[in-house]
Amino acid sequence: GAVVSQHPSRVICKSGTSVKIECRSLDFQATTMFWYRQFPKQSLMLMATSNEGSKATYEQGVEKDKFLINHASLTLSTLTVTSAHPEDSSFYICSATVGSMNTEAFFGQGTRLTVV
Amino acid sequence: AQTVTQSQPEMSVQEAETVTLSCTYDTSESDYYLFWYKQPPSRQMILVIRQEAYKQQNATENRFSVNFQKAAKSFSLKISDSQLGDAAMYFCAYNGYRDTGRRALTFGSGTRLQVQP
Repeated sequence: GAVVSQHPSRVICKSGTSVKIECRSLDFQATTMFWYRQFPKQSLMLMATSNEGSKATYEQGVEKDKFLINHASLTLSTLTVTSAHPEDSSFYICSATVGSMNTEAFFGQGTRLTVV
Repeated sequence: AQTVTQSQPEMSVQEAETVTLSCTYDTSESDYYLFWYKQPPSRQMILVIRQEAYKQQNATENRFSVNFQKAAKSFSLKISDSQLGDAAMYFCAYNGYRDTGRRALTFGSGTRLQVQP
């Protein structure tokens, strides 16, 4: 099956710094990539949807200046958490799909971000 | 906007028995896809089964099957011959257009399944 690699799997950063999370589709070209946030024992909440070469579409309530998404190629999307604060600590998951219907999503292994 | 509801926060089943996880959704679309995902302790999302709304036949994948009732907007997952490895968090998900105009998954709140030996 298609593989999506997310890096790093864990990161600890100091409050006020920025951290970048990468999401790569290893063996296919992704039409669309998605970023989710998951709090402990809760569901996945969609943060934004992105396509290569265009601006990401953010869900309501997600600060686009805080969560910068860059989708530079068909195989790479990055999420940068800027000026991180402890409340940004969470589990972030990316997924990638092929085609316009996004009917099958392939998920990365997730990144646990801890802001201290 | 679509909503996906999983009314069972936790379920428990004996090994080798059958369990059914419930999911209902609300949508005004006629063409959409429904999914069940499994999230084990590793937190890697694993696709269990997929159902296209235009198909009347219920999807099956080995020990996993669904009961898709389009008119009732219900999409339950049946796990037969439960195994210890089935223990995980299960999420029901709807693939349709969101308020942003983009097509994406909307997840239910999840059901934690425990399998007793």
